[in-house]
Amino acid sequence: KNEVEQSPQNLTAQEGEFITINCSYSVGISALHWLQQHPGGGIVSLFMLSSGKKKHGRLIATINIQEKHSSLHITASHPRDSAVYICAVLNRDDKIIFGKGTRLHILP
Amino acid sequence: DVKVTQSSRYLVKRTGEKVFLECVQDMDHENMFWYRQDPGLGLRLIYFSYDVKMKEKGDIPEGYSVSREKKERFSLILESASTNQTSMYLCASSSVWVDYGYTFGSGTRLTVV
Repeated sequence: KNEVEQSPQNLTAQEGEFITINCSYSVGISALHWLQQHPGGGIVSLFMLSSGKKKHGRLIATINIQEKHSSLHITASHPRDSAVYICAVLNRDDKIIFGKGTRLHILP
Repeated sequence: DVKVTQSSRYLVKRTGEKVFLECVQDMDHENMFWYRQDPGLGLRLIYFSYDVKMKEKGDIPEGYSVSREKKERFSLILESASTNQTSMYLCASSSVWVDYGYTFGSGTRLTVV
């Protein structure tokens, strides 16, 4: 079993829909990161969380440490949000463990 | 704008060739990393470096080596390229684990024929 699991693996939605991507992990962590990878490969760091909730524009990330779960939400989704979203955790040994990513496709 | 720059976007090499992938960061970050990304396997750490001339093996170091002679530059070397090293290679750097402190390059898509 992977230490970081993301769901869904693939998601297609209509423009304007509210999007939720989930990340569950099985190890103790010091931080969790949400990354965005656009077609062509470049990766951008969206959030780093160790507790609670963060918001940046239309993006919201939450984490529940007790349940070992994080969610990334996108409000009023747009075709330019189409990308692969990757959850990554920093474990207690300072090792980064990546989820396999969620491929999001927003249709106009 | 802070950057991690990978020297090549696309690269095609022959089996057995020695391949150099270069990564340069302009943020004075101490930590630099090389990952490969493959469908279904996600991102896997090959090597990382916490300081100049220092290197540590990641999860899949076999068939690779690295060099960090200067703080800003971290090179990944494929000593004798093989077809199973065809992949997307991503370089990253970080200083401390804070918001936006972990920066990736644009990736190098390497094909070994």
